[in-house]
Amino acid sequence: QEQLQESGPRLLKPSETLSLTCAVSDYSITSGYYWGWIRQSPGKGLQWIGSFYHGSFLQSRNTYYNPSLKSRLTISIDTSENQFSLKLTSVTAADTAVYYCMRGDPVIPVAGWGQGTLVIVSS
Amino acid sequence: EIVMTQSPATLSVSPGEGVTLSCRASQSVGSNLAWYQQKPGQVPRLLIYGSSTWAAGVPVRFRGSGSGTEFTLTISSLQSEDFAVYYCLQYDDWPLLSFGGGTKVEIK
Repeated sequence: QEQLQESGPRLLKPSETLSLTCAVSDYSITSGYYWGWIRQSPGKGLQWIGSFYHGSFLQSRNTYYNPSLKSRLTISIDTSENQFSLKLTSVTAADTAVYYCMRGDPVIPVAGWGQGTLVIVSS
Repeated sequence: EIVMTQSPATLSVSPGEGVTLSCRASQSVGSNLAWYQQKPGQVPRLLIYGSSTWAAGVPVRFRGSGSGTEFTLTISSLQSEDFAVYYCLQYDDWPLLSFGGGTKVEIK
């Protein structure tokens, strides 16, 4: 069973860029599965942010974003460190949430979760 | 984007009673529907995938059903550990995902 661990700054000011990293252990992020991010605003529901697949073949690699966040969002991959990152620009208070990294596949959409990290956007 | 709507928002139930939670999709998602349970301060836990397949270790008192746009999660004889928030998740548009707003099952 893989382990996922989020890290990054927890307090941001409006208009700054949110940057989080998910370190994955006990499984290679290039060996199958989709990996990505989900967030949950305080007291609210869950929102899928985006995912990627980094397969063996170049043609099989792709990144997918929630249309409502796409203009501000970048998910990147560091295969040498077996981790992936989230960057969300121009944050506002509405981006305050617990951010989870996740693993999934077309049969079980979210099969693994990080513990989550709370990011607060406040002036 | 597929919009998922859950109802009701809150259910007040006594231990031992059964409940049915509803989830509706704005367009057909086939059987590509999962249910998750979340307790305060915890990561969501997978209960059901493929509309009706139990995840490993999930008690049979949780039963999922439905296809297309209408889905239900039935919990028979609620136990104390079942009081939580339940979310449906469609993945027919894989890997684009969308969650329902959740149903909170609370103690009456």
